[in-house]
Amino acid sequence: DAGVIQSPRHEVTEMGQEVTLRCKPISGHDYLFWYRQTMMRGLELLIYFNNNVPIDDSGMPEDRFSAKMPNASFSTLKIQPSEPRDSAVYFCASSLWDQPQHFGDGTRLSIL
Amino acid sequence: SQQGEEDPQALSIQEGENATMNCSYKTSINNLQWYRQNSGRGLVHLILIRSNEREKHSGRLRVTLDTSKKSSSLLITASRAADTASYFCATDEYNFNKFYFGSGTKLNVKP
Repeated sequence: DAGVIQSPRHEVTEMGQEVTLRCKPISGHDYLFWYRQTMMRGLELLIYFNNNVPIDDSGMPEDRFSAKMPNASFSTLKIQPSEPRDSAVYFCASSLWDQPQHFGDGTRLSIL
Repeated sequence: SQQGEEDPQALSIQEGENATMNCSYKTSINNLQWYRQNSGRGLVHLILIRSNEREKHSGRLRVTLDTSKKSSSLLITASRAADTASYFCATDEYNFNKFYFGSGTKLNVKP
């Protein structure tokens, strides 16, 4: 079975640019999670969806961050405008209710 | 926050030795999970233990859960160099399927 697929794997862009991260969850999973991982703050939950509906976005750092899930097989996390402090590894994960999460390999984002 | 916290932050052992990592959390949980992360990769699920379970085994892994002490431990027996990775515990908010991850234990197994 294909796992969670994230793209791009690496993104380097200049401050102020719009960044879009993409995620394809495992087919049949109805929960999708976006995390950010940094050395300083560890793994932080940004937002999660159930059946394509955002359930909790309390971890989204500020209005520059937005996430959508237009259908069961695709989600995006957008940062506009991007800042150097947004540099991190962003992970997407999917799961069924009360079951382990399956993570993608992440997008390593560097904002110059 | 229900965030789990792992202890120790780093652990270095010789191949063949056992490795024990601990996780403490703050409030009631529905289940607790352990994950492994190899450098540059996503997290991989190892074991899920529910609040009404006390111990669970999977191959060389043994997880215990003490809800009275709000703590869990992960034991890796007969460690191998390939076990070198960071290990995280994750605890959920009851009925919300929302998980908090600790800061992890970085395990180095020397050949």
